[in-house]
Amino acid sequence: LAKTTQPISMDSYEGQEVNITCSHNNIATNDYITWYQQFPSQGPRFIIQGYKTKVTNEVASLFIPADRKSSTLSLPRVSLSDTAVYYCLVGDSNYQLIWGAGTKLIIKP
Amino acid sequence: NAGVTQTPKFQVLKTGQSMTLQCAQDMNHNSMYWYRQDPGMGLRLIYYSASEGTTDKGEVPNGYNVSRLNKREFSLRLESAAPSQTSVYFCASSVLAGPTDTQYFGPGTRLTVL
Repeated sequence: LAKTTQPISMDSYEGQEVNITCSHNNIATNDYITWYQQFPSQGPRFIIQGYKTKVTNEVASLFIPADRKSSTLSLPRVSLSDTAVYYCLVGDSNYQLIWGAGTKLIIKP
Repeated sequence: NAGVTQTPKFQVLKTGQSMTLQCAQDMNHNSMYWYRQDPGMGLRLIYYSASEGTTDKGEVPNGYNVSRLNKREFSLRLESAAPSQTSVYFCASSVLAGPTDTQYFGPGTRLTVL
């Protein structure tokens, strides 16, 4: 099973771009990479998912290099409301789901 | 449209007591999941139900049982609670029968076992 490793915490300032990297050295061929956001006392919420190269949606981008041993979540122009815990999830259709321990992102004014 | 709902929100048990955590979704999703979340750790899958009528063990099933009552409802039972089961429990659901699909989470149940 792939093991995921993320930084415990990060901080940044409003208006900056934030990049959070997740390491998953043992990722399998069928595994997808998904990122979730969690606010205190709430369940996680889907942000973005990818398999390889780059994926972009209205809130974030996900960069996955060719070897797929890591992935980077990019949040453009963050605001105070982006303060949350961000989780990297590696999983396949056989329900092998490995969640990272989460990165606590603090955005300062 | 309430999404995924969980009851209760908080619960305190004594060691050896039993209880059932309830989960319901109104999105007509096929798959449902139970996770636990401990401080400093990611979510760990306890059980999942790929579709109505099926249930399977996840990463940490010991000490738990589940029932997929119908398409909407998926309950988690602790038969004899232990302090190690103190955690926050999340229920989730997804449209397709696969975890690569987006999972929608409930607000969680905070359980303390004394």
